[in-house]
Amino acid sequence: AQSVTQLDSQVPVFEEAPVELRCNYSSSVSVYLFWYVQYPNQGLQLLLKYLSGSTLVKGINGFEAEFNKSQTSFHLRKPSVHISDTAEYFCACGGGTALIFGKGTTLSVSS
Amino acid sequence: GAGVSQSPSNKVTEKGKDVELRCDPISGHTALYWYRQSLGQGLEFLIYFQGNSAPDKSGLPSDRFSAERTGGSVSTLTIQRTQQEDSAVYLCASSLAGGARTGTEAFFGQGTRLTVV
Repeated sequence: AQSVTQLDSQVPVFEEAPVELRCNYSSSVSVYLFWYVQYPNQGLQLLLKYLSGSTLVKGINGFEAEFNKSQTSFHLRKPSVHISDTAEYFCACGGGTALIFGKGTTLSVSS
Repeated sequence: GAGVSQSPSNKVTEKGKDVELRCDPISGHTALYWYRQSLGQGLEFLIYFQGNSAPDKSGLPSDRFSAERTGGSVSTLTIQRTQQEDSAVYLCASSLAGGARTGTEAFFGQGTRLTVV
């Protein structure tokens, strides 16, 4: 069985500050890890994914994530956020039958 | 269109009525997922179709929920005798063969917002 835990339900930050959204997973099979973003009143879109190889993965809009097998984590980071990054962010784990999602983290960027 | 299409976009129904939600996946995508999104609950997996294989129904919350996929393309999620707790956004996603097993990206539709009154 697989599960995903997003440790923070809400993360408020000021514009141009760095941000880290935390994600931990549990899986008995090989994992593929994803971060999806949902902007207000829009559908989900893929930010980045880890399949294999380099543990540092770069995605769209300046986001990156690091896969840490020993800590079973896949935290999402951005060195400097913009107002437009305000959205709901979902971590997800594949490798089994379905793509399993965490409960989401709301990132609120203010000026 | 090129994306995953869901209809209707909004549905208001009375408690006890049956509803059908439709999903048109991206052409050529053999994997199809249904999820339910409730406030603060993230995306709850409901059911997964992969080609002609038997679907993974392990996420369906009760026997009032069922889904079909005809001809390996369009899918319909049916909720019988709707309850107020069924109110949520129902999301459909599709991906190329392999789906979650092979790390293939899932593409999501805009969802159907279901309100049970």
